[in-house]
Formats: sequence, C-alpha cells, structure tokens
Amino acid sequence: DAGVTQSPTHLIKTRGQQVTLRCSPKSGHDTVSWYQQALGQGPQFIFQYYEEEERQRGNFPDRFSGHQFPNYSSELNVNALLLGDSALYLCASSGPTGDNGYTFGSGTRLTVV
Amino acid sequence: RKEVEQDPGPFNVPEGATVAFNCTYSNSASQSFFWYRQDCRKEPKLLMSVYSSGNEDGRFTAQLNRASQYISLLIRDSKLSDSATYLCVVSGSSNTGKLIFGQGTTLQVKP
Repeated sequence: DAGVTQSPTHLIKTRGQQVTLRCSPKSGHDTVSWYQQALGQGPQFIFQYYEEEERQRGNFPDRFSGHQFPNYSSELNVNALLLGDSALYLCASSGPTGDNGYTFGSGTRLTVV
Repeated sequence: RKEVEQDPGPFNVPEGATVAFNCTYSNSASQSFFWYRQDCRKEPKLLMSVYSSGNEDGRFTAQLNRASQYISLLIRDSKLSDSATYLCVVSGSSNTGKLIFGQGTTLQVKP
C-alpha cells in the first residue's frame, strides 16, 4: 500500500519563476493538505483540498495556489518565487476529518536562488 | 503569540536519561493533540496522540491538561535512536483536520 508520494524531491528555481509541486495521497485518503517548513521551524499550514475545492487556507499570499484532481491527487503552485519561499514543502493526506490520522509525504525541497 | 509554543532546545542528554518536553497552545477550542517525531531532513511521523487521561506507549508518556492548555511528552531510558526533533501538534477548532505545529524541540542523546 503506497503512502503519500511527492514529486519532485528536490528543485532549484530562480527568483521570479513559477513552480508546481505534486502529491499523490495514500490509498483511501481523499483530503490533501500542504505545509511549508522553513529551516529550524515547524511546518506551517498552507491550504487543504477536499472534493476538489480549497476548504481551508493558512496565512499565505495568493502567489500560493493549488488544485485537487478527481483521483484526489493535488498540485501546489507558487508564482513569482521569492528567496524566502525556499523550504521543505510537505503534503499530508487524510480522511475528511483527519480522525483516522495523517500521513505525510517525504516532501519537496525547494531552493530559490 | 504563536498558536503552539515549544522550547526549541536543544536538549542534550546521556543515554538512559529521562527527558520531558512541554508545549502550550492558545486556542481553547482545539480538539486533537499529537506528538510527531521528525528526523533530520525527513517528513514528520506520528509518535503518539495525546488524551486528557494521559497515555503511554512503551518508554513514552504523553499528558494533556486542557484547563492549562498544556501538553507534555516524557521519554524514559533515552536511546541514541531517540535523537530527533519532537513536534507538538494541535488540530484546529474546526473539524477539518488542519494541523498546527509548534517549532519543535531538538533532542540529542549522547553515549
């Protein structure tokens, strides 16, 4: 049973560019949440997708957007990249309420130069 | 004020020591509480859920005090393999599964 799969594992982008990160949830999970973890900090909630819609959003600018597909996989898009966007981006999948637990992917490490 | 606050440490302890981590949270409507473990450059993994009655899993004991909005994790007989960052995590007040993480507390167990 595959867990959460994220791609790519590492990425280097230049300031001002755009990036798309991908996540496939664990089998049986229909909810995908995205987190940003800067070095030395805990993960920060970006947003959550359920039934192909953004259900909840953290304190992130509109440059951060996402999408969920009918097969529950999800994308995170970041436009106009800033140096401060360099971080580990984590995807977590769960059931709709999270009652049965959350499974994290191994993350995408984004470096903006 | 941060929603979830932890002492970042680091905590440096010898093998066999008992170490305790504390965490406070600001939203009294929070519903679920967890401790996650994160190894260097890896994803967070659930260590244990935390209940008001307290719960134990081997050498690990977690406690929740809702009145004080305080969560603790006790590790007994520390092993070298316990070296990691421990994240205090609280779910949001809405029933949608948003997780709020503390900064994490770094533990280094030395021989």
